[in-house]
Amino acid sequence: DQQVKQNSPSLSVQEGRISILNCDYTNSMFDYFLWYKKYPAEGPTFLISISSIKDKNEDGRFTVFLNKSAKHLSLHIVPSQPGDSAVYFCAASSPTSTDKLIFGTGTRLQVFP
Amino acid sequence: DSGVTQTPKHLITATGQRVTLRCSPRSGDLSVYWYQQSLDQGLQFLIQYYNGEERAKGNILERFSAQQFPDLHSELNLSSLELGDSALYFCASSAGQGLNVAFFGQGTRLTVV
Repeated sequence: DQQVKQNSPSLSVQEGRISILNCDYTNSMFDYFLWYKKYPAEGPTFLISISSIKDKNEDGRFTVFLNKSAKHLSLHIVPSQPGDSAVYFCAASSPTSTDKLIFGTGTRLQVFP
Repeated sequence: DSGVTQTPKHLITATGQRVTLRCSPRSGDLSVYWYQQSLDQGLQFLIQYYNGEERAKGNILERFSAQQFPDLHSELNLSSLELGDSALYFCASSAGQGLNVAFFGQGTRLTVV
């Protein structure tokens, strides 16, 4: 039972344009959502998070949007840079229970010049 | 540098053998999580410890076990290894309370031959 889903395994975007990565979840108990970036042979690196009381959180070029009614979140990267090329994982947790993170399967982003 | 240290980085062993993976969390973090990533797939949650006690269990095989010691470092023990256990094993740590960001180590790549 995949509680966190990233339906696009890959995304290719031109440098300078917007990258939009999507994530859906099924468990309505999730109330904290995070995005991680992962380069090959390295551990995931935390990017940005959002709690369920908000619908948007911004940090520089990265913005996460949360639509609770649709159980959907997205990560926007503007402008995209070649160094953003990596695998992006969304994760969700329910801190009121055990706070473990449940991850999606990841989206490989490639930013080309 | 996330502050989470995993050793060893690489491990090659034969089927049927037993190995121990070690994780030192970030200073002050009480929660340790173990994740498995097979063949560029998503991160599968295995188990979580908080301040020495097991807090949550995921899809961890009975052949696998873990513990967290009084100094908060953790070990993941994998026994009767099979070819399918070959994967990247990540450790993460967090403060363990409230809306947590988990920080990941560089991972241990286990190859079972």
